[in-house]
Amino acid sequence: VQLVESGGGLVQPGGSLRISCEVSGFTFDMYWMTWVRQAPGKGLEWVANIKEDGREKNYVDAVKGRFTISRDNAKDSLYLQMNNLRADDTAVYFCAREVVGAKGVLESWGQGTLVTVSS
Amino acid sequence: DIVMTQSLLSLPVSPGGPASISCRASQSLLHRNGNVYMNWYLQKPGQSPHLLIYMGSIRASGVPDRFSGSGSGTDFTLKISRVEAEDVGIYYCMQGLQTPYTFGQGTKLEIK
Repeated sequence: VQLVESGGGLVQPGGSLRISCEVSGFTFDMYWMTWVRQAPGKGLEWVANIKEDGREKNYVDAVKGRFTISRDNAKDSLYLQMNNLRADDTAVYFCAREVVGAKGVLESWGQGTLVTVSS
Repeated sequence: DIVMTQSLLSLPVSPGGPASISCRASQSLLHRNGNVYMNWYLQKPGQSPHLLIYMGSIRASGVPDRFSGSGSGTDFTLKISRVEAEDVGIYYCMQGLQTPYTFGQGTKLEIK
């Protein structure tokens, strides 16, 4: 099982960025997937998750209306489109796989991609 | 939203000694299906978090049996029977009962 995030970088406040998570070693379309973030020196914050078929999505209030989680099961990839970025969105963003039948149990994690929002 | 509170931010422990980390949820994590949606994660220095315990007391694959989870309702405990040097890091509780899933602030375990 491998999860590899990419697409992080430096973006100005108000800007947009799309980060990706490419997976391998398992049948992607059988799993809910999650994004979790960690601001520098801070704890973990759950951001969003998406159902196996992409038809159900959930978000933390802090990103609702600005971030969109999506997936392409044909490409074994998970995405997070981030718009209207703010300084407090600066964080390492991890993708994680949820255990089948046990939502909220994040059994596999990627190494993370750093998003820095600064002018 | 469910608030998860870890009262201890730092826990110094002697090698070979026991450790106990507590976490309190602002509401019961018992689902009507009988499952308790309480999970524990460890983030070692410089690494991604990994799953230790799920459903309150079930050890994840590969987790040594010196780790155990207990509790019900709103109060939960992670115990390490004999701490080893490789156990240092930050321990997070997390509720998976309802979105948004929420984490505790983390408890940093250090070796004395």
